[in-house]
Amino acid sequence: SQQGEEDPQALSIQEGENATMNCSYKTSINNLQWYRQNSGRGLVHLILIRSNEREKHSGRLRVTLDTSKKSSSLLITASRAADTASYFCATHGSSNTGKLIFGQGTTLQVKP
Amino acid sequence: GAVVSQHPSWVICKSGTSVKIECRSLDFQATTMFWYRQFPKQSLMLMATSNEGSKATYEQGVEKDKFLINHASLTLSTLTVTSAHPEDSSFYICSARVDYSEQYFGPGTRLTVT
Repeated sequence: SQQGEEDPQALSIQEGENATMNCSYKTSINNLQWYRQNSGRGLVHLILIRSNEREKHSGRLRVTLDTSKKSSSLLITASRAADTASYFCATHGSSNTGKLIFGQGTTLQVKP
Repeated sequence: GAVVSQHPSWVICKSGTSVKIECRSLDFQATTMFWYRQFPKQSLMLMATSNEGSKATYEQGVEKDKFLINHASLTLSTLTVTSAHPEDSSFYICSARVDYSEQYFGPGTRLTVT
């Protein structure tokens, strides 16, 4: 079942602007991951943040995690047209099955 | 990095026929692989967990007799959609688990049932 909800569902910005996407989840987690999916393609892993971390950076990506609110955000700074894609958060939950549960995703369009 | 391939990348079949999709880990061994289905403009839905040498574990609502999963080796899992119908048309994605945290995703297979 899908436990993650993301907002906004769709986001359209100009190149150079920042894009922020939010993800909420329902159960306790060990970590939360963000993935990117270009149209009709597989998923690319962007970043993993552990439950004991509050913020993590990777290049132009900044992820925050608030376990008290069961939410996470992904910030893409200085966006580029190539960032146009769908972005999904995913959680493992507290079990050790390795199953990933994905959020509904945010479709980002960056206009050149 | 770890690479996962899927074959075919797209397939068109007639209603009532069966289709097999392969998922391979190319440069690592994966004891566990996962199969997801994604409908247009929607998120990924986990269908089943495939463990090498044992029966797959299906998610609630997924028909195990319709979606046959075989994980015969540490580098290959197959998903067979039996007696396919147009509503089975979807994007099927597999992933292979390296350890608890990391999964690597295949490029997906677009299935169209006419």
